[in-house]
Amino acid sequence: NAGVMQNPRHLVRRRGQEARLRCSPMKGHSHVYWYRQLPEEGLKFMVYLQKENIIDESGMPKERFSAEFPKEGPSILRIQQVVRGDSAAYFCASSRKSQFNEQFFGPGTRLTVL
Amino acid sequence: SQQGEEDPQALSIQEGENATMNCSYKTSINNLQWYRQNSGRGLVHLILIRSNEREKHSGRLRVTLDTSKKSSSLLITASRAADTASYFCATDEGDNNDMRFGAGTRLTVKP
Repeated sequence: NAGVMQNPRHLVRRRGQEARLRCSPMKGHSHVYWYRQLPEEGLKFMVYLQKENIIDESGMPKERFSAEFPKEGPSILRIQQVVRGDSAAYFCASSRKSQFNEQFFGPGTRLTVL
Repeated sequence: SQQGEEDPQALSIQEGENATMNCSYKTSINNLQWYRQNSGRGLVHLILIRSNEREKHSGRLRVTLDTSKKSSSLLITASRAADTASYFCATDEGDNNDMRFGAGTRLTVKP
């Protein structure tokens, strides 16, 4: 049973370009969470999605950031017109519906904006 | 991928008691972090302790780090029913700041 997959592992973009980060949850998991981690800081929650629904996007910046989790395919975190401050590690976690919703984390995507 | 181990896996205590959760890891770290997760919600960052620190406090939380034993503990004093959640430790390792999460400890605080 493969774990949570994220790709790419490293992504380099110039200012103004778009970044697309992908997350394939574990088999049987229908919940996906996205987190951002700045260097030497803890993870910060961004968004929580179930298939085709955004459940909680309280941690998402209001502009340039969007997330989706379609019926088929991976979850996508999209950052438009990237700026240097977007450079960070972005982690995805998945869980299945359960009392505690244990989350399993992917290896992360490291975004560098030049 | 999950790495590191929290222990115990589940802990049930009465309100007002202290709760201690432990975390062990295997490699050298830059820092270690503790998170809380309420059911159906995202992780909430609690405390970050650096590899050159031994103890850190935040309100009712106390975290210790023993790099010689590769272990950390999270103590919640005077627990409340609202502290019921899963608690995860995560280690920040290597030059690429790779994160490794444990499987978590489920804490239940009974009123």
